[in-house]
Amino acid sequence: QQQVKQSPQSLIVQKGGISIINCAYENTAFDYFPWYQQFPGKGPALLIAIRPDVSEKKEGRFTISFNKSAKQFSLHIMDSQPGDSATYFCAAVRGGGADGLTFGKGTHLIIQP
Amino acid sequence: DTGVSQDPRHKITKRGQNVTFRCDPISEHNRLYWYRQTLGQGPEFLTYFQNEAQLEKSRLLSDRFSAERPKGSFSTLEIQRTEQGDSAMYLCASRRTGAYEQYFGPGTRLTVT
Repeated sequence: QQQVKQSPQSLIVQKGGISIINCAYENTAFDYFPWYQQFPGKGPALLIAIRPDVSEKKEGRFTISFNKSAKQFSLHIMDSQPGDSATYFCAAVRGGGADGLTFGKGTHLIIQP
Repeated sequence: DTGVSQDPRHKITKRGQNVTFRCDPISEHNRLYWYRQTLGQGPEFLTYFQNEAQLEKSRLLSDRFSAERPKGSFSTLEIQRTEQGDSAMYLCASRRTGAYEQYFGPGTRLTVT
C-alpha cells in the first residue's frame, strides 16, 4: 500500500517558468510533510517542509501548498532555473516527526535553458 | 555543524559476502535513521535509533540485516549473506530531539555481483 502518491513522474519546464509537483497521502496520522531535493549520486537534501496547521509556506522561490481536507500538498518552484534540475521527493511522517519518513516515488525535473 | 557522514561511499561485493556500513550523525542528534533507496524509487525506511536503543524496524529489514548504535553516537548496518536484490543506496539520516527535520548523509552505494 503506497501511502504517499506523487505526480508527475517526470516534468520538463522552461527556464523562468513555474514547476509544480503534487502529492497525496492516505494516513491522517501524518503530521509533518517535507520535500527533499536529490541530485544524482547524492543523498536527499531537505528543501522545505510544512505542518498541517498551515495552508501555505514560502521560502524563497519554493512554496508548499497544503490542503488538509483533500489530503494533498504540492511544491511550487517559481522562476525555475537549470540548477533546479534534480529529483524531488515528497514525504510524510507521524509522531511529531519522530518516526521514519514515508516517501513518494519522486519527480524527475528538468529545467530547459 | 558538520553533516551526516557515511562510509564507505561505494561498496562492491560478491553474492554471499557480508558487508558493514557506518554512519556518523550530526553531533547532538540523538535520533538516527537508516533507509534504502533503489534506482528510480524514493527512500524506504528500514530502522531507527533513539540514542543506543533501536525503537522500530521495518518489515523490509530481513533477518540478514542488523543495525547497532552501541554508544549512541555512530551506527553500523550489517548485511549478511548478501543477495543481488540488496544492491541499492543505503542512506542514513539524523534528527535532533524535539525537531522535525531529518538530515541525510551522502549514502553508501552497494553493488552485489
